[in-house]
Amino acid sequence: AQSVAQPEDQVNVAEGNPLTVKCTYSVSGNPYLFWYVQYPNRGLQFLLKYITGDNLVKGSYGFEAEFNKSQTSFHLKKPSALVSDSALYFCAVRENPGGYQKVTFGTGTKLQVIP
Amino acid sequence: DAGVTQSPTHLIKTRGQQVTLRCSPKSGHDTVSWYQQALGQGPQFIFQYYEEEERQRGNFPDRFSGHQYPNYSSELNVNALLLGDSALYLCASSLGTGDSEQYFGPGTRLTVT
Repeated sequence: AQSVAQPEDQVNVAEGNPLTVKCTYSVSGNPYLFWYVQYPNRGLQFLLKYITGDNLVKGSYGFEAEFNKSQTSFHLKKPSALVSDSALYFCAVRENPGGYQKVTFGTGTKLQVIP
Repeated sequence: DAGVTQSPTHLIKTRGQQVTLRCSPKSGHDTVSWYQQALGQGPQFIFQYYEEEERQRGNFPDRFSGHQYPNYSSELNVNALLLGDSALYLCASSLGTGDSEQYFGPGTRLTVT
């Protein structure tokens, strides 16, 4: 069974500093990995995905994520945090049995960027 | 370009009642997935519809059922509501069953009393 772990419930970072939100995964085959962001009282918004290819994936709003197969990790990063980045971040993994999507989400990490 | 829309925004039901939630996918999308997000938790996959058929299902009881119409819109039905069904229900749409990302609606907040 596929699973995702986000070990930190909350991450605090000063504005302008680099940020990292951690994610590890477990799947039986090749992983399809995603990051989503959720602002208060809103649905989830897609940030980036890894399907295959380069291990460093660039996404929306200056975010990027690094896929590490040996460590089964897909950490979200940004070189310089903004106050507006404060939100709830979800890592998700998908297997592709028969071509239909069954996505498993982590429990989320609350990012707090301090002015 | 309209994104994913869901109705209603909020809903209050009594234990034992039935509820229907509705979703219109993003223009051009043909696949709809439903998720339950309890307070403080990540979304939990309920099921996915493609070509008007349920293609994948998560660990939810048969009280949860759905439907997809020819215009790709979808409904989520929950029978015999329990207090534990109180949650934010999210609809997500995507194109086909390949590698595309999902686009989420704002959700329907269901409260069961």
